[in-house]
Amino acid sequence: QSALTQPASVSGSPGQSITISCTETASDGLVYNYASWYQLQPGKVPKLIIYDVSHRPSGISNRFSGSKSGNTASLTISGLQAEDEADYYCSSYTSTSTLYVFGAGTKVTVL
Amino acid sequence: QVQLQESGPGLVKPSGTLSLSCTVSGASITSRNWWSWVRLPPGKGLEWIGETFHSGSTSYNPSLESRLTISVAKSRNQFSLKLKSVTAADTAIYFCARVDYDLGRAFDSWGPGTLVTVSS
Repeated sequence: QSALTQPASVSGSPGQSITISCTETASDGLVYNYASWYQLQPGKVPKLIIYDVSHRPSGISNRFSGSKSGNTASLTISGLQAEDEADYYCSSYTSTSTLYVFGAGTKVTVL
Repeated sequence: QVQLQESGPGLVKPSGTLSLSCTVSGASITSRNWWSWVRLPPGKGLEWIGETFHSGSTSYNPSLESRLTISVAKSRNQFSLKLKSVTAADTAIYFCARVDYDLGRAFDSWGPGTLVTVSS
């Protein structure tokens, strides 16, 4: 059972905006820091798209944005495009013996 | 541009040892980054396996620690993973990745991944 909860799937039409949530398990006592988001597509190298909650690495489209409120980090994809179809994973650094945890992943479908 | 490439056998027998290497190009493994292994079991989510620094320091996922060794070969600009006593549950795509502490400890560069199947 993942310590970070994501929806299994999210879908949207081209041009729309979608948001993927990533909620920390409140009862496990871990401290989650530095939320990041990754895009995994078949046959492609996984890609970091958001780090430290809301920062985009160079080369990542500004259609991707990240935020955090309370114990939930979010990834928003604006102006959805067919090329955005992928699995998206959130991750956090925990400063415990399990240094990094991932969510179970969210499959994004462009209708 | 940093590139990482995993290599190793794609099939390992149950109770055997899974051995993979990751070759880094475009960056030195002796930089201030840490170097990690992450896996993706079929139908499941990503799982952090462990990481190493060029000094030889390591951190392991406690769920795998008793079976795991991660090491660095500075002369080859490589780091490696050995997981012993494998079972079918270790079948996964294995990725190597760079951890950038300046980017909030994010995995900023990844290899394409290699599928390892545990089966007799």
